[in-house]
Amino acid sequence: DTGVSQNPRHKITKRGQNVTFRCDPISEHNRLYWYRQTLGQGPEFLTYFQNEAQLEKSRLLSDRFSAERPKGSFSTLEIQRTEQGDSAMYLCASSPWAGRELFFGEGSRLTVL
Amino acid sequence: AQSVTQPDIHITVSEGASLELRCNYSYGATPYLFWYVQSPGQGLQLLLKYFSGDTLVQGIKGFEAEFKRSQSSFNLRKPSVHWSDAAEYFCAVGANRDDKIIFGKGTRLHILP
Repeated sequence: DTGVSQNPRHKITKRGQNVTFRCDPISEHNRLYWYRQTLGQGPEFLTYFQNEAQLEKSRLLSDRFSAERPKGSFSTLEIQRTEQGDSAMYLCASSPWAGRELFFGEGSRLTVL
Repeated sequence: AQSVTQPDIHITVSEGASLELRCNYSYGATPYLFWYVQSPGQGLQLLLKYFSGDTLVQGIKGFEAEFKRSQSSFNLRKPSVHWSDAAEYFCAVGANRDDKIIFGKGTRLHILP
């Protein structure tokens, strides 16, 4: 399977703990995006990368959120000191270049107790 | 900044009936437009896309969409829906080659037998 892969698929954590999600994009894609989706809502943009460079980070994101894409391959999204409001599905997508369609992974569901 | 509006949160149609889902976007130049579908528990799948050229675009599963610049719209249509089309549909817009892709809040489609 050469699609976008996300791990873990489900994460349950207690409030205040740190969590990290990993995304492996389609291998030749140089763009990688992170979105957050809550129940009944559309994907909300968080951040995106071109190769290893983080081009934009949503102003909605607090400083507790950080994303990296070392060497322009896989990416990690870390949430520090989780809050119940962070409970959501975190979606990763990749695309071959700017302006083209996104290919999504199946998401990582976070539940903060 | 670009934005997307999907005016209908829920749409219910009978199996075999025609379907039109509305999408309006806001952007000053020619946008890149997409429709994605998300079935329960599934990832987002691209239905169709518009970049330039013919304003009527064909997609998978018998869907089509028409780009109308004068109305800033990109409505999704299908002549005859099937029960398997029940899902959530998202319209998305990309501003230009160097910008992110923004999603609408979605329209949930219900099919009556």
